[in-house]
Amino acid sequence: DIVMTQSPDSLAVSLGERATINCKSSQTVLYSSNNKNYLAWYQQKRGQPPKLLISWASTRESGVPDRFSGSGSATDFTLTISSLQAEDVATYYCQQYNSVPMTFGQGTRLEIK
Amino acid sequence: QVQLQESGPGLVKPSQTLSLTCTVSGGSISSRSYYWSWIRQPAGKGLEWIGRIYTSGSPNYNPSLKSRVTISVDTSKNQFSLSLTSVTAADTAVYYCAREELGRSCFDPWGQGTLVTVSS
Repeated sequence: DIVMTQSPDSLAVSLGERATINCKSSQTVLYSSNNKNYLAWYQQKRGQPPKLLISWASTRESGVPDRFSGSGSATDFTLTISSLQAEDVATYYCQQYNSVPMTFGQGTRLEIK
Repeated sequence: QVQLQESGPGLVKPSQTLSLTCTVSGGSISSRSYYWSWIRQPAGKGLEWIGRIYTSGSPNYNPSLKSRVTISVDTSKNQFSLSLTSVTAADTAVYYCAREELGRSCFDPWGQGTLVTVSS
């Protein structure tokens, strides 16, 4: 199984400031034949199911604010929130879908400082 | 838009079988574009993919649970189901069903989730 490790486990950021969450995979999730990274990011607010934010490491889903961006390749990835809003308080998960079983990071809890 | 809703008992005794159903509305479970997955989340913990099924074809399971899991589909009811045998307290979790796009195996949308507690 591919192990996904996120850092930090928790993060407190002031409103309007940048938040950065990292995700590292134990094996590459870059598929060489199409040069795509099989990596997704989710946001989970308290009491709700996860919501898909980003797929292919950097492609935002429809309706996701452009303050959310994803970057990285192969084994190292980053989710950035450029200007933190109050509604962004949540736990964020990365997930690889390069191989079965699909696996998730342990989550990063994002709070307001 | 597609919506998913889990249903089933909220309490299961140890050693018994956990059975859940996911009802899909707003779209056909027979679509050739999607898998249908189960994912669970113990309280305060992370997400674990349990397995998936396609409208036609064999299901895929997480090797960590494969010996105890069965996922099936009922196209006439637009539902798919999860069965997990020989449960223990470690199987206590919120269980989610979700749609998974072929060729892009991330999960969207998700059901609201249902809490299953294993306790005598």
